[in-house]
Amino acid sequence: EDKVVQSPLSLVVHEGDTVTLNCSYEVTNFRSLLWYKQEKKAPTFLFMLTSSGIEKKSGRLSSILDKKELFSILNITATQTGDSAIYLCAVDNYGQNFVFGPGTRLSVLP
Amino acid sequence: GAGVSQSPRYKVAKRGQDVALRCDPISGHVSLFWYQQALGQGPEFLTYFQNEAQLDKSGLPSDRFFAERPEGSVSTLKIQRTQQEDSAVYLCASSPGGLYGYTFGSGTRLTVV
Repeated sequence: EDKVVQSPLSLVVHEGDTVTLNCSYEVTNFRSLLWYKQEKKAPTFLFMLTSSGIEKKSGRLSSILDKKELFSILNITATQTGDSAIYLCAVDNYGQNFVFGPGTRLSVLP
Repeated sequence: GAGVSQSPRYKVAKRGQDVALRCDPISGHVSLFWYQQALGQGPEFLTYFQNEAQLDKSGLPSDRFFAERPEGSVSTLKIQRTQQEDSAVYLCASSPGGLYGYTFGSGTRLTVV
């Protein structure tokens, strides 16, 4: 059965801290891995990763994929209170749908 | 439209009532997905359309759930005889197809009392 696991499930940090969120997966036919930020209800797209070892970067956020070890990390540097959200990892498995992980709930305290 | 639009935003239904949830995808998007997100969990796949064809409905939890997309644009997710365990946020996402990320709507929060 296709599976995506995220850790930690919950994380509380202070502004300015750097955090690393983890996503590991087991899927039958991997096509891509995606990270989403979910603040209220609509997940918003952050990154799509298809190749190992190539870092994607957007401002203070960056992500990288390791297809050999079947995991990805999402880094957030110099966190701000606006980074507080649930971060979802999803894998596109060519099965015409995404398999989502449970999410990591990040709380950034002032 | 500019994004994926879902309505209603909130729905409270009495147990046993039928509900219909609407999704307006981004114009021209071929692929449309429905997900169910229970509190504290990641979204779980319900069903997938490519244009008007429902290519995968393996995630629908029971025969009380039914989805359609008759003209290949707007989609409706219908839940008959709602039960308390149906309470969740129902997310719709659309994609142009191919290797593109999906755009999600804001979802409909269904509460069955």
